Amino acid sequence: EDQVTQSPEALRLQEGESSSLNCSYTVSGLRGLFWYRQDPGKGPEFLFTLYSAGEEKEKERLKATLTKKESFLHITAPKPEDSATYLCAVQAPNDYKLSFGAGTTVTVRA
Amino acid sequence: DGGITQSPKYLFRKEGQNVTLSCEQNLNHDAMYWYRQDPGQGLRLIYYSQIVNDFQKGDIAEGYSVSREKKESFPLTVTSAQKNPTAFYLCASTLTGLNNEQFFGPGTRLTVL
Repeated sequence: EDQVTQSPEALRLQEGESSSLNCSYTVSGLRGLFWYRQDPGKGPEFLFTLYSAGEEKEKERLKATLTKKESFLHITAPKPEDSATYLCAVQAPNDYKLSFGAGTTVTVRA
Repeated sequence: DGGITQSPKYLFRKEGQNVTLSCEQNLNHDAMYWYRQDPGQGLRLIYYSQIVNDFQKGDIAEGYSVSREKKESFPLTVTSAQKNPTAFYLCASTLTGLNNEQFFGPGTRLTVL
């Protein structure tokens, strides 16, 4: 069974204090690893898809990287508007579903 | 604007009642999904549909039912058999089931009174 573990559960940052979120996964092969951002009471918003080890993608202050066992979401010089829960999910080959981690809640203080 | 809509935003149910949550998309996506989200847990798949008039059970289908009569619509019924239905329900869609990111609706929060 696919497993996704995200750490830490919660992260409190000062504005401008860079940090990283971890997503460790166990899956029989990997079709794709997905990162989402979720604001309270809203649906997840798609950020990135990573397909193979070594791949990196960036969007504004966010950068996602992928190895064979884990992915990192780096937040560079965060701002208060980056406060959200970040979700990681994996998809196995020939599988239609995504397996989600429980998320990391990031709070950025001004 | 293209997107996924869910209604209602909030829903209250008495014990023993069936309720239906609406999900509509105008993205021309083939596949649609229903997830349940509980505090401190990852999203869990309830049902999914790759094509009209066909759907499959996910990991926690007991106490739920769905239909897919139109490509744009994938309603979820929470039946009285679902023992703990209070949760945040999310609908998602994707162009095809494989190798494409899923896009989510705004969610419906269901509370059992």
